[in-house]
Amino acid sequence: AQSVTQPDIHITVSEGASLELRCNYSYGATPYLFWYVQSPGQGLQLLLKYFSGDTLVQGIKGFEAEFKRSQSSFNLRKPSVHWSDAAEYFCAVGARGGSQGNRIFGKGTKLSVKP
Amino acid sequence: ETGVTQSPTHLIKTRGQQVTLRCSSQSGHNTVSWYQQALGQGPQFIFQYYREEENGRGNFPPRFSGLQFPNYSSELNVNALELDDSALYLCASSLRTDTLSGANVLTFGAGSRLTVL
Repeated sequence: AQSVTQPDIHITVSEGASLELRCNYSYGATPYLFWYVQSPGQGLQLLLKYFSGDTLVQGIKGFEAEFKRSQSSFNLRKPSVHWSDAAEYFCAVGARGGSQGNRIFGKGTKLSVKP
Repeated sequence: ETGVTQSPTHLIKTRGQQVTLRCSSQSGHNTVSWYQQALGQGPQFIFQYYREEENGRGNFPPRFSGLQFPNYSSELNVNALELDDSALYLCASSLRTDTLSGANVLTFGAGSRLTVL
């Protein structure tokens, strides 16, 4: 069965420190991969996506993610965290050939930023 | 361009009642997907509508139903509400393409928070 695992429920980093949020997926083939961010009272905002090609993907707000097929991972990184990055982050996969709106989400990682 | 708007933002119902949630798609989008996000969980796909027909469904019972209108707006209806239906319901719109199925970008609304007592 297709699934997404985000091993870290809650991460706290200091402002200015680097960040890596982990994501592992289980899927029969190479899926489409996404990272979303959700602030309180807000919907999900797309940070970046991987469809094919270069395995290092650049997104908005200074985020990047690397697709590693051998590890079934798609970890999100940011070199220097800002206080405004505090939010919940979701990794998701989209099926190739499936319903276009169907995303399978992980349970999320809540990021806290300390001054 | 306007984004995805959902109404109401909050509502409280009692067990056994019925609820209708509404969603206006982003301008230029023709597909609407609905998600349920329980507290502390990631969103779960309920179903998608394209050309006013259901086009893909997740693991949700038939008491979850929907509509899509000619202007691409949509409704989610839930009958016989249960306590476990308490959640944030997210609507997402997208522009369906005939290629790269699954690759289209979803634009999410802020959600409707339903509490069932």
